[in-house]
Amino acid sequence: TQLLEQSPQFLSIQEGENLTVYCNSSSVFSSLQWYRQEPGEGPVLLVTVVTGGEVKKLKRLTFQFGDARKDSSLHITAAQPGDTGLYLCAGGETSGSRLTFGEGTQLTVNP
Amino acid sequence: DTAVSQTPKYLVTQMGNDKSIKCEQNLGHDTMYWYKQDSKKFLKIMFSYNNKELIINETVPNRFSPKSPDKAHLNLHINSLELGDSAVYFCASSSRSRGNQPQHFGDGTRLSIL
Repeated sequence: TQLLEQSPQFLSIQEGENLTVYCNSSSVFSSLQWYRQEPGEGPVLLVTVVTGGEVKKLKRLTFQFGDARKDSSLHITAAQPGDTGLYLCAGGETSGSRLTFGEGTQLTVNP
Repeated sequence: DTAVSQTPKYLVTQMGNDKSIKCEQNLGHDTMYWYKQDSKKFLKIMFSYNNKELIINETVPNRFSPKSPDKAHLNLHINSLELGDSAVYFCASSSRSRGNQPQHFGDGTRLSIL
C-alpha cells in the first residue's frame, strides 16, 4: 500500500508570512496533485506535477515534484487570509486512476 | 452548471437504519469514486467504478454497497448504519482513459448517526 505523509498537519500564521507544506513517500508516483478544500465543499484541484524536478507556479503558490517522484512541496509566499483552507496532496499511481491522499494540512492565515 | 452533484447534503438518521446517497456527474467521465472523510479530514477511497465496472473495492464493511446504473451515476447504499459510519462521504469522477487526470469532487454528504 502506498502512503503519503503530509506535514505539518496544522499551520497557523500571520498575513504576509511564507510557508511550506511537505508531502513525502517511500513510493514512486506517476503524478502528484495538490487540492484545496474549503468548509462545506469538496477538494478542488490546484495543480498536477508529473515530471521529476518539475516546478509549477500559480500566482503566490509554488509547487515542486521531487527528482525521484516520491515527494512534493507547496510553498506559499506572502500568505493571505483567503489562502485559509485544507491542503491535500495526492499521488497518482502508474497505472489506473487511483489517488493516494496525504493526511492534509489545515492552514489558517490570520489578518 | 454543477459538475458532480450528490444528494442529500445532510443526512441525520438513527443507528440500524438503511440509507442511500446518490451521485451524478455531467462531465462525461468514465470513472467514479466514493470516499469517506473522517473527523481528522483524512480522505479514504472506498470504491471506484469504470464504465459501470467495479475496479476498486477497499476494505469496507459489506453493509456498504455501491451501484452504478450508468457511467454518469454512482450511488451508495448503507445497511444497518452504525455510529462509526458518521463522516462526510464524497463522490468524485475522472477520466481514466487519459493519464494523470484530476478528480472532480461533489460537495459531500454529511452523515450523522444518532
